[in-house]
Formats: sequence, C-alpha cells, structure tokens
Amino acid sequence: EAGVTQSPTHLIKTRGQQATLRCSPISGHTSVYWYQQALGLGLQFLLWYDEGEERNRGNFPPRFSGRQFPNYSSELNVNALELEDSALYLCASSPGVRRTGELFFGEGSRLTVL
Amino acid sequence: AQRVTQPEKLLSVFKGAPVELKCNYSYSGSPELFWYVQYSRQRLQLLLRHISRESIKGFTADLNKGETSFHLKKPFAQEEDSAMYYCALISSGSARQLTFGSGTQLTVLP
Repeated sequence: EAGVTQSPTHLIKTRGQQATLRCSPISGHTSVYWYQQALGLGLQFLLWYDEGEERNRGNFPPRFSGRQFPNYSSELNVNALELEDSALYLCASSPGVRRTGELFFGEGSRLTVL
Repeated sequence: AQRVTQPEKLLSVFKGAPVELKCNYSYSGSPELFWYVQYSRQRLQLLLRHISRESIKGFTADLNKGETSFHLKKPFAQEEDSAMYYCALISSGSARQLTFGSGTQLTVLP
C-alpha cells in the first residue's frame, strides 16, 4: 500500500514569492493534516481538511492557506514568503474525522526561503 | 488551550539502562495521548497510544491524570531505540487535531 506522498521534496524560493506544496493521502483516507516542523520548534499544526472542508487551522497567519480536492489530495499555499517560513512541511492523513489518533505521515517537503 | 511539554530536548543513556522520556500535558477535557517516533531517515510514525495500554518494542506509557503526565518508559534501552520521540495529545469534540510536544532526541550509547 502506498503511503502518504508529498511533492516537491525540496523547494527554494525567495522572500515575497509564493510556494505550493502538494500531498496525496493514503487511499481511503479522507482527512489530511499539515504541520510545520521548524528547527527546534517541534511540529506546529497548520491545517486540517476532511471531506473537502477545512475543519481547523492552527495559529498561523492567513497567508498560509490550502485546500482539499475531491480525490482527497491536498495543497498547501504559502503567500508572501518570509525567511522564517523555512521549514519542513509534513502532511499526514487519517481515515476520517471520527477515527482517532493515528496519523500517517509523509516524508515532508523542505522549503527554503532565501 | 491544550499544550504538550517535553522538558528534555536531548537524552542519552547507555545500552541496557532504563530510559524514561518525560511528557506533561495541559488540557481541560479528557485527553487522548500518544507517542510518535521518528527513526533516522524514516517517517514519523505512531509508537503507542494510552488507550490501548499496550507495550510496543518494550516501551510502555501510563497516563497519570493527577500529575498530567504520560511518560514513556523502557526498562532496558537498545541502540536501535535511538530516535526522536514526540508526545502528542488529541482534542476531543469536533476539532480533533494532534498537538505535539517539541520532541526528545534519544541516543542510546553502546
């Protein structure tokens, strides 16, 4: 069974640009979560999508946005990039909002903002 | 607001020694707690959950509501246990999301 896949693996942008990261969940999973893993800060919750709807978002500015497509894949967009947005962005999926606890993570997309 | 605290960023023990990774949480409801692990060059994955009361790879964790703790323990550490460990809490109700601690890097020395 294919795991959660993320693309691109690495992305280099400059300040002010926009970045788009993509995630394909495990087949049959309807929930997608996005986390930011910045150096020394652990995993910070960004966004949660389920069945195409945004269910919750973390304490991040509005320039962090995303969406979930009908096939449950998801996209994270970061506008007006700032240097501190440099981080590993992890996507995770789970079977749905009523299921508990276990998230299946991708390998991440490393974003570098110069 | 819910919060998970892992006070140790780094922890080193010798092979065969006991190991305890600390986790404290704050949450107003009834918590569901988890330990996730990330081995070198592998994905972050679930290690165990308190609701299952299971032992995985020799690790156990007991939820102590009085002390609001969920420490991860293993009586005899192995070199292959070296990894990054994250404690996590999931909120109840409709806004179910995992809140992670900042992680503890465990190194088991030979």
